[in-house]
Amino acid sequence: TQLLEQSPQFLSIQEGENLTVYCNSSSVFSSLQWYRQEPGEGPVLLVTVVTGGEVKKLKRLTFQFGDARKDSSLHITAAQPGDTGLYLCAGAITGTASKLTFGTGTRLQVTL
Amino acid sequence: GAGVSQSPSNKVTEKGKDVELRCDPISGHTALYWYRQSLGQGLEFLIYFQGNSAPDKSGLPSDRFSAERTGGSVSTLTIQRTQQEDSAVYLCASSHYGLGNEQFFGPGTRLTVL
Repeated sequence: TQLLEQSPQFLSIQEGENLTVYCNSSSVFSSLQWYRQEPGEGPVLLVTVVTGGEVKKLKRLTFQFGDARKDSSLHITAAQPGDTGLYLCAGAITGTASKLTFGTGTRLQVTL
Repeated sequence: GAGVSQSPSNKVTEKGKDVELRCDPISGHTALYWYRQSLGQGLEFLIYFQGNSAPDKSGLPSDRFSAERTGGSVSTLTIQRTQQEDSAVYLCASSHYGLGNEQFFGPGTRLTVL
């Protein structure tokens, strides 16, 4: 059973467009992280959100944690080719001290 | 280099052979994690170490999989009698203290079982 579902799975857009990636679950998370992974490399942490309703901005990226701490979204404004990669959300489920549950991933391609 | 390193970067083996994958975490990081990633997919948790002990082995898919960590540093993931379904990228991550801290990932070992 996949606890974290991401949508869309694939997204191909042109430079300058906006996009939103969603991460949804029926479970409550004590915190949620977003990672970006490029081919041949490990994921790199972008942000951690811990409070329901929290919004964090990282340049052109806006991250939101749902009020009930079951879902999250990543919005990219004016996408650039350098944003291309696999975006992964990962949640720490309340009561489990040791592991992150990763989402199914969203593969983003931004073309000129 | 101060990052997490893994070796080998690529491993091709025949079905039924044993393989060992190595992870060198960031110096001073007490927590170490192993994950498995199938082609283009999300990460599947395998095992977590705090120091040399493994309080959470719940993700190991079968008894053919084992891992150890020595000296609170290097970890080895061993897969015995490899099967074709074991083919994946095996990622290692380390963090300071534990789950609440950022996990730093290595580049992974791509395992192909023929």
